[in-house]
Amino acid sequence: QLHLQESGPGLVKPSETLSLTCTVSGGSIRGSTYYWGWIRQSLGKQLEWIASMYHSGRTFYNPPLKSRVTISVDTSKNQVSLELSSVTAADTAVYYCARTSDASGSYSDSWGQGTLVTVSS
Amino acid sequence: QSVLTQPPSVSAAPGQKVSISCSGSYSNIGVNYVSWYQQLPGTAPKLLIYNTDKRPSGIPDRFSGSKSGTSATLDITGLQAGDEADYYCQTWDNSLTAVVFGGGTELTFL
Repeated sequence: QLHLQESGPGLVKPSETLSLTCTVSGGSIRGSTYYWGWIRQSLGKQLEWIASMYHSGRTFYNPPLKSRVTISVDTSKNQVSLELSSVTAADTAVYYCARTSDASGSYSDSWGQGTLVTVSS
Repeated sequence: QSVLTQPPSVSAAPGQKVSISCSGSYSNIGVNYVSWYQQLPGTAPKLLIYNTDKRPSGIPDRFSGSKSGTSATLDITGLQAGDEADYYCQTWDNSLTAVVFGGGTELTFL
């Protein structure tokens, strides 16, 4: 059974870079026909797609966040990583790693439990 | 403000049927598949419906999805206690070139 687990600092200072890692177990990123990505949920419950990536390197970013986001995949470690630069309080959210059906994100069928990241000095 | 519009809340009695709407536009719901998620308190969203009207393995047929024009609907029949949750719709928007979500609908029992 596929399992996704997010990890990273729970507190990030304003203007710094948020870095998260998602470790995938029970399945391989390499050779998968799925995309792997990040979705966040604000404390007001709104879900927001951040980015998705295929193991080949093809990436898709949410345009409003694109200039600040880097997504990467390490197939040797079966991990997906997210970096979000120049964070502000508006980036405080629960961040989820998710497996996504295709490039257009038709659906995400496996999610990590999520990790709360608070941006505060 | 969400690209997809859902009612903030709906209420129904156990055993009844409830419908949750998701309104969009031609560039999103009008031409793309819709998916629906259930989120119980303190947990990650769970896929309920994909490709507009298909259920993943393990999802009971009490949950069904449909689409007409630029709106999609999630129907839940025979409401049970465990159905009290938040429900979100999602699709791709060709104009925004982004995955978009509805603002979520909280289902509560009368």
